[in-house]
Amino acid sequence: EPEVTQTPSHQVTQMGQEVILRCVPISNHLYFYWYRQILGQKVEFLVSFYNNEISEKSEIFDDQFSVERPDGSNFTLKIRSTKLEDSAMYFCASASVGNSPLHFGNGTRLTVT
Amino acid sequence: DAKTTQPPSMDCAEGRAANLPCNHSTISGNEYVYWYRQIHSQGPQYIIHGLKNNETNEMASLIITEDRKSSTLILPHATLRDTAVYYCIVRVKAAGNKLTFGGGTRVLVKP
Repeated sequence: EPEVTQTPSHQVTQMGQEVILRCVPISNHLYFYWYRQILGQKVEFLVSFYNNEISEKSEIFDDQFSVERPDGSNFTLKIRSTKLEDSAMYFCASASVGNSPLHFGNGTRLTVT
Repeated sequence: DAKTTQPPSMDCAEGRAANLPCNHSTISGNEYVYWYRQIHSQGPQYIIHGLKNNETNEMASLIITEDRKSSTLILPHATLRDTAVYYCIVRVKAAGNKLTFGGGTRVLVKP
């Protein structure tokens, strides 16, 4: 069964550094999403992306965050200058058409020290 | 999106059916009910969704009341691997719309 793949599984970075989290969505999917989950808290929506532009973003998704689909297969989340509070699991998801379900990857654990 | 209310936790016995309730009393006509689960910090896993009819797939059954104000997810024969947090989510029927996760129900399947 096709799946969403995320790399790396764990990323450790120092405060102030830039990080790029990578995702390979399911190949025929058109809608892409990033979520995060701080340890012990809810899964929170960050951003959705369709047709090469942001469809919707949350208050969390400020100017430090950006997303890109640089080629036909990858979908990336960049955090320009990481803060301690950015430490979380980051989940990528994709969906095909219409109101189809989102399919999630197994996440990247980001640790900011 | 309409909000949902789920019990914070529940236990069930291995091999028995697990019935997970969800209230969504403010659901509107263009909103679907989705169920996901999250096993120990893995990515959320899609289980099932429905609009107003009952639905069944290889993982579970979804029973939606006639007034659509509540639903029940049924795991017919719970196994230890079904231990997870289960999320009931109401999602507007619109292309590409996001999911909004609440606190879910932490289900512990006991031998």
